[in-house]
Amino acid sequence: SYVLTQPPSVSVAPGQTARITCGGNNIGSKSVHWYQQKPGQAPVLVVYDDSDRPSGIPERFSGSNSGNTATLTISRVEAGDEADYYCQVWDSSSDHYVFGTGTKVTVL
Amino acid sequence: EVQLVQSGAEVKKPGESLKISCKGSGYSFTSYWIGWVRQMPGKGLEWMGIIYPGDSDTRYSPSFQGQVTISADKSISTAYLQWSSLKASDTAMYYCARRPVTKDAFDIWGQGTMVTVSS
Repeated sequence: SYVLTQPPSVSVAPGQTARITCGGNNIGSKSVHWYQQKPGQAPVLVVYDDSDRPSGIPERFSGSNSGNTATLTISRVEAGDEADYYCQVWDSSSDHYVFGTGTKVTVL
Repeated sequence: EVQLVQSGAEVKKPGESLKISCKGSGYSFTSYWIGWVRQMPGKGLEWMGIIYPGDSDTRYSPSFQGQVTISADKSISTAYLQWSSLKASDTAMYYCARRPVTKDAFDIWGQGTMVTVSS
């Protein structure tokens, strides 16, 4: 089955840039989506189809995808960005949806 | 407003059955997939399965096939997740989420239903 690997944690100072990676075999050939989950809340879609943002999501959230790694970038990090972040793809070979292992972003 | 509203928290004993619900509103319920996602305490997101209420086409993750049943009643815009015999290891938060036909992302999520299984 398809596996998505994320770093367990990323720490960043306010105003700096956080980069969260999502590794998978030839992930560049798939559409990658990213979710933000704050404590006690449901996940929220923040980036879809590698780099598009749903309405209402700040431009500070951006994404890229190439080769074996997709990346979610959060620019000008704010305290309110502290959350868990998950990547997700649809694996066409199995017709299954796969979530990454999750990354906890801590704002110092 | 587009939303998915899930049924309330449940406390059950091992071996009991359970059916939780997810009601969609503000959009055409039969034109979007509804997925179910498990989150065990302190853990990550796991995809369980998905249903297209328009024709009840249903897919399951191998990890959950045979363990749960996903269904939908399009007349009341509601999807369901059910267990016939709960185990303590089913204790988790369960989310439903909408998936547009044209994307494979989950764009709207329910608030979650906490299921606790304990003797």
